[in-house]
Amino acid sequence: SQQGEEDPQALSIQEGENATMNCSYKTSINNLQWYRQNSGRGLVHLILIRSNEREKHSGRLRVTLDTSKKSSSLLITASRAADTASYFCATAPGIQGAQKLVFGQGTRLTINP
Amino acid sequence: DAGVTQSPTHLIKTRGQQVTLRCSPKSGHDTVSWYQQALGQGPQFIFQYYEEEERQRGNFPDRFSGHQFPNYSSELNVNALLLGDSALYLCASNTAGETQYFGPGTRLLVL
Repeated sequence: SQQGEEDPQALSIQEGENATMNCSYKTSINNLQWYRQNSGRGLVHLILIRSNEREKHSGRLRVTLDTSKKSSSLLITASRAADTASYFCATAPGIQGAQKLVFGQGTRLTINP
Repeated sequence: DAGVTQSPTHLIKTRGQQVTLRCSPKSGHDTVSWYQQALGQGPQFIFQYYEEEERQRGNFPDRFSGHQFPNYSSELNVNALLLGDSALYLCASNTAGETQYFGPGTRLLVL
């Protein structure tokens, strides 16, 4: 079963705008990761944030984590056409950091030129 | 440095048949996980192999089985295929760290 739920399910914005996607999960986690998937191909790892971290940056990406609300957000700034993809959050449940990843259903992001 | 590779890229089978998918992990990785991704859904964890043993298993029937070889490569076998097994099968590898690196996937169509 899916643990995470992404919101919105689909997002369409103009190139240059910022895109924000949210993820909620149900159980305690060791870390939360965001992945990108282009056209049903393999997943590309974007960023990992640990349960004791609140915010993390990587290039144009900013991820926040609120463990009290069991939620995370991914912000992509200055979007580009190449950012068009599906974005998934994935949690590693459990205090010990169980290896399996539990994915949400993803947000389909479309960047319009 | 080669990433995770999977073969074949596409596969068409009929109901009742058996299929074997293959995965070679990223160099230096010793753990392989398999995921099933139905169209429009997020990936679902099937199982994970470490030191040639199944370490964790998701909610999949026994028709799904796997193997890990001494060189850390892995196979996913599915017996008695059902139409509902049509999906993208993803392999991921990692080592002691948490980040899993995914291969391009094998798209399986069951007719």
